Amino acid sequence: DIQMTQSPSTLSASVGDRVTLTCRASSIFSTWVAWFQQKPGKAPRLLIYKASTLGSGVPSRFSGSGSGTEFTLTISSLQPDDFATYFCQQYNSYPLTFGGGTKVQIK
Amino acid sequence: EVHLLESGGGLVQPGGSLRLSCAASGFIFNDYAMTWVRQAPGKGLEWVSGISGSGASTYYGDSVNGRFTISRDNSKKTVHLEMNSLRAEDTGFYYCAKGLMVGPRTSFDYWGQGTLVTVSS
Repeated sequence: DIQMTQSPSTLSASVGDRVTLTCRASSIFSTWVAWFQQKPGKAPRLLIYKASTLGSGVPSRFSGSGSGTEFTLTISSLQPDDFATYFCQQYNSYPLTFGGGTKVQIK
Repeated sequence: EVHLLESGGGLVQPGGSLRLSCAASGFIFNDYAMTWVRQAPGKGLEWVSGISGSGASTYYGDSVNGRFTISRDNSKKTVHLEMNSLRAEDTGFYYCAKGLMVGPRTSFDYWGQGTLVTVSS
């Protein structure tokens, strides 16, 4: 199974900050990675798929990059609505797996 | 507008069974894979099972393989998850999600609101 390791597990930041979240895969593969945002009591929301393609309706301050084993999600200017938990997911091979999450909280 | 509505969750004893359903609307159902993802309270996301648009291909996570069965009825735009031999560690919210493509090895662009399954005596 491909393990997805996210870092950091918690990130404290302020509105307007540029933040970068990282996801590392346990084995090398292509760009079949997605990023989700989840708020308490809500279903996850797709932000990025195929490592760098923005999901429908997702603000342009979100961007994704990476290939191989390291992937990043960047929020160019953190907004109040962005404080949430973020998960990466690989769909390169079965079983599909998620990272453990990064909680972005207010500094 | 895409809409996914899960049902069938509840309290069940260890070793028991439960059948979850997900009713879909707002897209051409058989053109997309469907999946179930679960989340234990306060924990991360775990992929449970996926099914191709035609229903011919199904895949399962290691922890549920042999106990859970995914199926779909394209005429009724529904997907089901039959869960047997339930364990305490199966407790959590179960989300139905729509795939980005017809094959089940995909990510998911729309999610339901989730249904809670509690396995406890």
